[in-house]
Amino acid sequence: EAQVTQNPRYLITVTGKKLTVTCSQNMNHEYMSWYRQDPGLGLRQIYYSMNVEVTDKGDVPEGYKVSRKEKRNFPLILESPSPNQTSLYFCASSPQALGVGTTQYFGPGTRLLVL
Amino acid sequence: SQQGEEDPQALSIQEGENATMNCSYKTSINNLQWYRQNSGRGLVHLILIRSNEREKHSGRLRVTLDTSKKSSSLLITASRAADTASYFCARGEGNQFYFGTGTSLTVIP
Repeated sequence: EAQVTQNPRYLITVTGKKLTVTCSQNMNHEYMSWYRQDPGLGLRQIYYSMNVEVTDKGDVPEGYKVSRKEKRNFPLILESPSPNQTSLYFCASSPQALGVGTTQYFGPGTRLLVL
Repeated sequence: SQQGEEDPQALSIQEGENATMNCSYKTSINNLQWYRQNSGRGLVHLILIRSNEREKHSGRLRVTLDTSKKSSSLLITASRAADTASYFCARGEGNQFYFGTGTSLTVIP
């Protein structure tokens, strides 16, 4: 089944404790992206990747890191989480860069609480 | 902010009625997409309309686009309780993607 998977689905952590949220897609998509969703703010793009070893900042990259060493994986790293990073996080992928108007496929989300 | 704005923020209707939600944006677009999100879950793509199109249909969904007004609307006809969800417009600009703030639709059986 074609899908985007994220792990963990729920995570409670404390300020400053490094964490990684994994994202994997099995559709051979070139483009992958991370979003955070906060009440009243919709989804905001954190980072995106056009292809392996190519990543770039979205609208809200502060406090996050990403890497794209393999086409299928795009982990999101919080080196020193803070309470304002408490949010619902989504990974998404699409066949190619968005300028040509392709559909994004979303993972199920990761709910993060930073105490 | 480059996010789109959607209105209404919340909409409650009876089953069988039509639901209309609107999306406005500020910059030029190549295309605009609509997504649906069931409570706390991942978004699901509904429909894409290109900048040279004015109207597009998919089942009970009808999307219109007015590039002169920088706005789009999503119409769901003959709504069902299962349509209860949040709906987001989204546009791609260069290699980035911008979502609207969403409309929360409740369909009362």
